[in-house]
Formats: sequence, C-alpha cells, structure tokens
Amino acid sequence: NAGVTQTPKFQVLKTGQSMTLQCAQDMNHNSMYWYRQDPGMGLRLIYYSASEGTTDKGEVPNGYNVSRLNKREFSLRLESAAPSQTSVYFCASRGADRGPGYTFGSGTRLTVV
Amino acid sequence: AQSVSQHNHHVILSEAASLELGCNYSYGGTVNLFWYVQYPGQHLQLLLKYFSGDPLVKGIKGFEAEFIKSKFSFNLRKPSVQWSDTAEYFCAFNSNQAGTALIFGKGTTLSVSS
Repeated sequence: NAGVTQTPKFQVLKTGQSMTLQCAQDMNHNSMYWYRQDPGMGLRLIYYSASEGTTDKGEVPNGYNVSRLNKREFSLRLESAAPSQTSVYFCASRGADRGPGYTFGSGTRLTVV
Repeated sequence: AQSVSQHNHHVILSEAASLELGCNYSYGGTVNLFWYVQYPGQHLQLLLKYFSGDPLVKGIKGFEAEFIKSKFSFNLRKPSVQWSDTAEYFCAFNSNQAGTALIFGKGTTLSVSS
C-alpha cells in the first residue's frame, strides 16, 4: 500500500541512549517532515526536507538531527535522549502537486525514562 | 511568526447538537488551509482542505469549513454531531510555496455524549 511507513511503532529508551526513527515514503514525494505531538501542544515541526539533499530546522529542532538519505527516506536521530523527548513522532510527506496535501505516517510512540 | 489559534481546547456536546470549531491563522500571504482529525489511538486523517475557489469547503463525514479571508479564519462546522465524532481536531495551514511545512494549531478535543 502506498504511503508513509514509520519504524518502530513503539520504543522505550533510557536517558542518554541514542536511536534513529526511520521514515520511508513510496509516493515519489519531494518534501518530507518530522513532527512531534504532545498533549495540548498540537503537532510541532522538528525538521523538514523540502527536497532531496536539503534539510531545515523547524520550530523545535534542539536535541535532534536528520538525514535525507534519498528521495524515499528521511530519518530522525536522537543522539542523547532526554525525558523531555518523550512524545509521539509523526513523519509526513508531500508531493510537488499540492492537490493531495500531506500524507502522514502512523507515528512512533517514544518514551524516555 | 506564522501560527494557528484554535479557540476551544475542549468541547463537550450531546449527540445531534451542532458543532463549530474556531480557527484563525497568522500569515499575510496566500495560504492553503486544512482540518485534520485524530480518533483515539489513531493517526491523523484529513477532513477537508481549502486551496482556492469557493470558500465553503465540504469534507468527509458531513464536515464543512468556511474560509473568511478578511478574518484570517477557517472555522469547522457540522450540523449534527454523532458519538463517533469524538476525537481531536487540528486546524493547519501552509504558505503557498513548494516544500513548506504545515503549521498546526494546538488542537480541540471534542467529546460527544450519546
């Protein structure tokens, strides 16, 4: 099925551990995005990649890094996880044609203890 | 700074009541506007979107929204809610440029009692 695939779906980390959240889309979309969702805060943009080879900071980039590995894949890395990074992370993509809008993955629920 | 303001944090309605959720955005240029819904335990689903043309937009499940450019508003409405509409609703927009990200409001939780 065409769409955005995120892995893993759930993860528990200890403070200070590192991990990479994976995101892949098979719709040949140019732009990809990482958001975090916290209660009462809506979705806040962490990083985005407007096109292959480019990445830019969003509203809350501190503590994160990203890699646009190729057109399909956009990964989010936590180098040293902190409890404040406990959240649900969503990846999204968007094609050049704005018609379909944005496609979201099903999310990764991350808990940092 | 670009931002979205959703007026209500939590709305509680009885079945068959009418719904209106307020949304205002802050941006001076051309925008695309969206409403998303997130049912408990699920990911985001697009309810409706506005790009251009008729400012009254109809979406899925009987929802509609009206874009009022002079008020920078994009309010969501439904004439008669159902218990199954219980969810969190997010208003979002982006500027009309390639690659731009969606800016989300903080969301409104709708609870519908049967």
